Amino acid sequence: GDSVTQMEGPVTLSEEAFLTINCTYTATGYPSLFWYVQYPGEGLQLLLKATKADDKGSNKGFEATYRKETTSFHLEKGSVQVSDSAVYFCALSDFRQGNEKLTFGTGTRLTIIP
Amino acid sequence: DSGVTQTPKHLITATGQRVTLRCSPRSGDLSVYWYQQSLDQGLQFLIQYYNGEERAKGNILERFSAQQFPDLHSELNLSSLELGDSALYFCASSVRQGRETQYFGPGTRLLVL
Repeated sequence: GDSVTQMEGPVTLSEEAFLTINCTYTATGYPSLFWYVQYPGEGLQLLLKATKADDKGSNKGFEATYRKETTSFHLEKGSVQVSDSAVYFCALSDFRQGNEKLTFGTGTRLTIIP
Repeated sequence: DSGVTQTPKHLITATGQRVTLRCSPRSGDLSVYWYQQSLDQGLQFLIQYYNGEERAKGNILERFSAQQFPDLHSELNLSSLELGDSALYFCASSVRQGRETQYFGPGTRLLVL
C-alpha cells in the first residue's frame, strides 16, 4: 500500500539556518503530495501541496518540489524563524485509486533556537 | 482558524465507556474525514463521509462508528473504550471528493483511564 517516509527528528536549528526535511513516498498510482504543520496544541494546517510531477509548492518561505523520478517531496526553507518551531508532516493522497484519504509520515519535530 | 470545529476539546473517561465526538465541517464542505493521532500509530485515517454517505474506511475498529447528518455535521462514536484508544482525534473536511485540500479541526483529546 501507499506509504510516506520522513526524516527522523527531532531537528534543532539556530534562527536563520537553512532547513531541509526529507520525505519520500511509495504509491501505486499518481499521488498528490502535501506538507502539513502542527503547532503546539493545535490541529494540522496545510503548509503547501503539489499535484503533479515537477510542481513546486510554496508558502510562508517554505518550498517543496514533487520529484517523481526520486519519489521525493523534500521540504526546504532558506532562513528559519523561532515561530517555525512545530511538527511537520509529509502526506500523500492518491485520488486516482479512488481513495481520498491522506497517508501521513511519522512527523518531524522542529525546534528553532534564537 | 480552519473553519472546522470539534467538540469537546478534551474528554476523560473510563475503560468500557462510550463517548461521542462531534465535528462541524467548514461551511459548504460536503466531505468529512476522521483521523486518529496516537504516539505508537501516528496519524491514521479512520473513515470518510460524503454528503451523508460513507465513502471510505480505513483502520477503524469495529467498536468505533461514525455518521454524517443532513446538516453535514458528523459524529464519531467510540464504545467499549480501552486504554489504547487514548489519542487525539481529528476531523477534516473538504468541498467535494477527489483532489481537494482537507482542512483540519483542532482535535479532541481523549484520555481513557
